[in-house]
Amino acid sequence: NAGVTQTPKFQVLKTGQSMTLQCAQDMNHNSMYWYRQDPGMGLRLIYYSASEGTTDKGEVPNGYNVSRLNKREFSLRLESAAPSQTSVYFCASSEGGGLNEKLFFGSGTQLSVL
Amino acid sequence: GESVGLHLPTLSVQEGDNSIINCAYSNSASDYFIWYKQESGKGPQFIIDIRSNMDKRQGQRVTVLLNKTVKHLSLQIAATQPGDSAVYFCAENLSGGSYIPTFGRGTSLIVHP
Repeated sequence: NAGVTQTPKFQVLKTGQSMTLQCAQDMNHNSMYWYRQDPGMGLRLIYYSASEGTTDKGEVPNGYNVSRLNKREFSLRLESAAPSQTSVYFCASSEGGGLNEKLFFGSGTQLSVL
Repeated sequence: GESVGLHLPTLSVQEGDNSIINCAYSNSASDYFIWYKQESGKGPQFIIDIRSNMDKRQGQRVTVLLNKTVKHLSLQIAATQPGDSAVYFCAENLSGGSYIPTFGRGTSLIVHP
């Protein structure tokens, strides 16, 4: 059981380049999330998908887009990368729909924008 | 400001000691609280949770205490081991139709052998 799988693990971009971070979960979870983690800032929610077919903005959505491709996959796209988007990105999933929203996280993508 | 925060960014303990990590929350409507452990280079991992109708919950070597009067949460780790060295996050679930956990900044626990 792989859980939540993120690719790539590391990426270096130049300012203005675009890229898509991939995330897939094999736990049949309804909800999926993208967080970014910066030193001293904890985890901040970028976008989430409460269920297949829906997406919503989180705390820091500017500069990002997401796609809930199907129940398993939730991708995060940076259309024009900026140095401020240098961060570690985590995808997570949860069963969804209930009060007890325990999140299961992937291992993260370390992104550097030069 | 943050609705979930931690009193100490870094906690250093000796192996075998008990550790206490604290967390404050500001939203009295929060119903559910979770502690996560994040080891270096990995994603956060669930440790233990507690609902707002409980004051205490015990797991294996870990105990979470909830004081709703002062909106305070703590994680106690008994007989701390080097493998417990990590960053610990508390997260609260805000009720009212939205079940998106909100995370604090984290406390780094360093265990000295």
